[in-house]
Amino acid sequence: GAVVSQHPSWVICKSGTSVKIECRSLDFQATTMFWYRQFPKQSLMLMATSNEGSKATYEQGVEKDKFLINHASLTLSTLTVTSAHPEDSSFYICSASRWAGRTDTQYFGPGTRLTVL
Amino acid sequence: KQEVTQIPAALSVPEGENLVLNCSFTDSAIYNLQWFRQDPGKGLTSLLLIQSSQREQTSGRLNASLDKSSGRSTLYIAASQPGDSATYLCAPGGYQKVTFGTGTKLQVIP
Repeated sequence: GAVVSQHPSWVICKSGTSVKIECRSLDFQATTMFWYRQFPKQSLMLMATSNEGSKATYEQGVEKDKFLINHASLTLSTLTVTSAHPEDSSFYICSASRWAGRTDTQYFGPGTRLTVL
Repeated sequence: KQEVTQIPAALSVPEGENLVLNCSFTDSAIYNLQWFRQDPGKGLTSLLLIQSSQREQTSGRLNASLDKSSGRSTLYIAASQPGDSATYLCAPGGYQKVTFGTGTKLQVIP
């Protein structure tokens, strides 16, 4: 159990276009989902926290108008990179939070590699 | 703020050796700790998840231990194989917060 999927696994787009990445919790409901990104040779950094039915909370330095997050259901969150530029090329990984008792565990998707030409 | 350190940063071993990867973290108020592997240019693969109430978890040739009070975790890989070559990430998780280490890059030489 506790499987998280992402789609697409990789995407190449032209500069100026928008790209949508989906994150799904396949066998559990997640009131909270998270989006991370990883630049080459760096560790994963949290971009934003997304709660179902409400606005996402963005980490400092992350442009909320550029990275649009929608968490419309308990099993789906989407990240849209608007007007993508080469510097947005990165690995984007989502996670979904599952509560068991008094603790929550984040289960991670496999990631989406975005390359902006 | 949670800080995660992984030592060594890189490791090269001959095939068949047993090895230990180390992870230390500064905030012991965690719910769990996960170990992942990441192949070059690829996504995360979850290896082991240890809840805070547990001391260790095993999966095949992998064994991870957790000493929450001292802020340490180790990943033990037995009888290493070339296919184990990857970057290994340690990630302690608290309330709605997972912090990743910078990883240990492992190369197993045939």
